[in-house]
Amino acid sequence: AQSVTQLGSHVSVSEGALVLLRCNYSSSVPPYLFWYVQYPNQGLQLLLKYTTGATLVKGINGFEAEFKKSETSFHLTKPSAHMSDAAEYFCAVSFSGGYNKLIFGAGTRLAVHP
Amino acid sequence: NAGVTQTPKFQVLKTGQSMTLQCAQDMNHNSMYWYRQDPGMGLRLIYYSASEGTTDKGEVPNGYNVSRLNKREFSLRLESAAPSQTSVYFCASSGGTGVKEQYFGPGTRLTVT
Repeated sequence: AQSVTQLGSHVSVSEGALVLLRCNYSSSVPPYLFWYVQYPNQGLQLLLKYTTGATLVKGINGFEAEFKKSETSFHLTKPSAHMSDAAEYFCAVSFSGGYNKLIFGAGTRLAVHP
Repeated sequence: NAGVTQTPKFQVLKTGQSMTLQCAQDMNHNSMYWYRQDPGMGLRLIYYSASEGTTDKGEVPNGYNVSRLNKREFSLRLESAAPSQTSVYFCASSGGTGVKEQYFGPGTRLTVT
């Protein structure tokens, strides 16, 4: 069965600091991996996705993530945090033949302070 | 292009009341989904519809029913609301072949007292 674990329900960084949000997955078949962002009182917006090919994936707003099969990880990073990055971030896994059903992690709330 | 729309945005129900949450998408997507979001639990799939005319249970279907009215619309019904159904409900859609991302609506915040 597929599952997703996000380490740290809350992460706090200073403006300009590195952002690192951790995601580990469990999957018995090749996974497809996604990061979504949710701003307050809004729906989810896709940041980036990994399906096949290059393991370093670049997304919107300067975020990127690297698929590491040996570590079953798909951590999200951004070199320099902005105040506008404050939001909740969700990692999700899907798989071929699964009707694009997503299994979500519990989420990580990112706070950015001056 | 509105994407995925949901109505209502907010709703308060008393225990035992019924209601239907509406969802529509204008992206010509085949697949549609209903999730609930609870603090610390991420989003959990309630029901999904892989294509018009089909619906299937997700992870937490108990207490809910769905209708795929046509390709655009996918409704979620609570027949007898319970306090445990207090949550934020999101509709999503996806389309095309292969693994595609889902597009989410703005959500419905439901409180059952």
